[in-house]
Amino acid sequence: EVQLVESGGGLVQPGGSLRLSCAASGFSFKNYEMNWVRQAPGKGLEWISYISSDSTKYYAHSVKGRFTISRDNAKSSLFLQMNSLRVEDTSVYYCVRDSGGKGAYFDHWGQGTLVTVSS
Amino acid sequence: DIQMTQSPSSLSASVGDRVTITCRASQSISSYLNWYQQKPGKAPKLLIYTSSSLQSGVPSRFSGSGSGTDFTLTISSLQPEDFATYYCQQSYSAPRTFGHGTKVEIK
Repeated sequence: EVQLVESGGGLVQPGGSLRLSCAASGFSFKNYEMNWVRQAPGKGLEWISYISSDSTKYYAHSVKGRFTISRDNAKSSLFLQMNSLRVEDTSVYYCVRDSGGKGAYFDHWGQGTLVTVSS
Repeated sequence: DIQMTQSPSSLSASVGDRVTITCRASQSISSYLNWYQQKPGKAPKLLIYTSSSLQSGVPSRFSGSGSGTDFTLTISSLQPEDFATYYCQQSYSAPRTFGHGTKVEIK
């Protein structure tokens, strides 16, 4: 069974940093592209970052230059380093597996971890 | 970025009703359109990918259709567990944008 378990969320002040982790199991992590998707309270879904199996990375405009995605294939783990956090970054952050290829979709989601940016 | 517009934003329906949700893309996305279901406090779940392919384990009362810019998610006979918010997403080009969601509520 595919499992994605996020951790690392919490309360942080504006301008602060936080590192999210996602532990993957039940599939060959090293072979899959991965994503982070977030959802502000009461709002819709926003894709924010992608990493390929060989660590090619893409970011949404809203987080580019502040967030860094990375992975450790040996530990089947995905990370999101978030710096210069803003109030508007307050969201549930989901670790999401990518089906890969043209027209790829998000086929497995973690339960999410809440990040609250507030003074 | 490709904009995805869903309609309606919410609807009320009864158990057993046929429900249709529409998603329109700001440009042609071929058949690269996916649908997700999200229940309160839970992560989204993939229902349909590439416009009409049913994800494994999803009940057959869910179906999708469309190509180009106009797409439809249909629930043939609404069940109590189907009350949720539904999102469309294009996977034609990066960034893979979502619609704003359609909340299906009990009538």
